[in-house]
Amino acid sequence: KNEVEQSPQNLTAQEGEFITINCSYSVGISALHWLQQHPGGGIVSLFMLSSGKKKHGRLIATINIQEKHSSLHITASHPRDSAVYICAVSFNAGGTSYGKLTFGQGTILTVHP
Amino acid sequence: NAGVMQNPRHLVRRRGQEARLRCSPMKGHSHVYWYRQLPEEGLKFMVYLQKENIIDESGMPKERFSAEFPKEGPSILRIQQVVRGDSAAYFCASSLYGGGNTEAFFGQGTRLTVV
Repeated sequence: KNEVEQSPQNLTAQEGEFITINCSYSVGISALHWLQQHPGGGIVSLFMLSSGKKKHGRLIATINIQEKHSSLHITASHPRDSAVYICAVSFNAGGTSYGKLTFGQGTILTVHP
Repeated sequence: NAGVMQNPRHLVRRRGQEARLRCSPMKGHSHVYWYRQLPEEGLKFMVYLQKENIIDESGMPKERFSAEFPKEGPSILRIQQVVRGDSAAYFCASSLYGGGNTEAFFGQGTRLTVV
């Protein structure tokens, strides 16, 4: 079964702390996406990864294809980082794949000043 | 270059009415995906369309739901005879290519409330 698991489900931090959100998936993928959703808001794509590591500002995303695991890190967290962070993958299906995404349950991040 | 545009942002329908949700993909994108986010649940795939064709509708309920992406105009997700359980946020995403290693761009979503 194609599954995506995220942890933790809820995360509370003080401003300035280093934050890590984890994502594991069950079978081979074409790509993994990290998404951000503010309450009542739309979905913003933060990263798309198929290998290695990507960095954008205070956000860093890594992926280990062999271990089927990815992490999203936020350095020097700020209250405006408070949002739901969602991991999503496009699974390989019999050697072919397309952009259909399977999502984790999301991690609710709250950063206090 | 405008992003993915969904309208309306909020839609209220009485039980039994029809709901029509529209999605205009980014300019040049011919691949559209619809996802549903039920209250307190994660996002789930509904349907994947490429101009004028339904490629994968495995996530769409068999009855009352339909989707189209005509040659001209936005993609439409249509829900007939809505019930309370259809209340959810519906998101569409578009991409330039159809492969699995393609960046997806999401709209702001349509929040459907069935009263």
